[in-house]
Amino acid sequence: AQSVTQLDSQVPVFEEAPVELRCNYSSSVSVYLFWYVQYPNQGLQLLLKYLSGSTLVESINGFEAEFNKSQTSFHLRKPSVHISDTAEYFCAVSPYLIQGAQKLVFGQGTRLTINP
Amino acid sequence: NAGVTQTPKFQVLKTGQSMTLQCAQDMNHEYMSWYRQDPGMGLRLIHYSVGAGITDQGEVPNGYNVSRSTTEDFPLRLLSAAPSQTSVYFCASSYSVGGYEQYFGPGTRLTVT
Repeated sequence: AQSVTQLDSQVPVFEEAPVELRCNYSSSVSVYLFWYVQYPNQGLQLLLKYLSGSTLVESINGFEAEFNKSQTSFHLRKPSVHISDTAEYFCAVSPYLIQGAQKLVFGQGTRLTINP
Repeated sequence: NAGVTQTPKFQVLKTGQSMTLQCAQDMNHEYMSWYRQDPGMGLRLIHYSVGAGITDQGEVPNGYNVSRSTTEDFPLRLLSAAPSQTSVYFCASSYSVGGYEQYFGPGTRLTVT
């Protein structure tokens, strides 16, 4: 079984400041790792994912996350945030499976609020 | 492509009533799933399906039924609504390939009084 812990339920930051959203996971098997974003009153969208290879993955809008196997972490960072980044961010894992049910296990979510 | 669609967007039920939340996708995805989102708990898997005629239980299946007669549709039935089922429900779909992105619908906000 897998579990995901997001260490901060709310993170307020000022515009153009850096931010880090923390995610730790537990699993007895290898996993895929994801960050999803939920803008107000919308569904979830994939922000970035780690499947294998380079441990640093990037999104098209400036976020990046680093997979740390020894610490079982997948923290999300952005060097300079914008008002439009205000959203709830979810870390999620699914067990390594080449084919079949891609069941996601989500963390509790972190609400990122950007203040001008 | 419409992606993943869900109806209705909002619903209010009385305790004991039944209803069906609709979910459809037009991407020919094999894998479909239902989640509920509650404050401070993230999203929890209710039921999932890896293809037409194949369904299985997730983490919180009690009080819900599903069936999958076509690739496109995956309805979620509440048999006898309870206040504990007040939540936002999301349907998602993806290919059944490891690590593939899951696409989420816009959600159904359900209140049970």
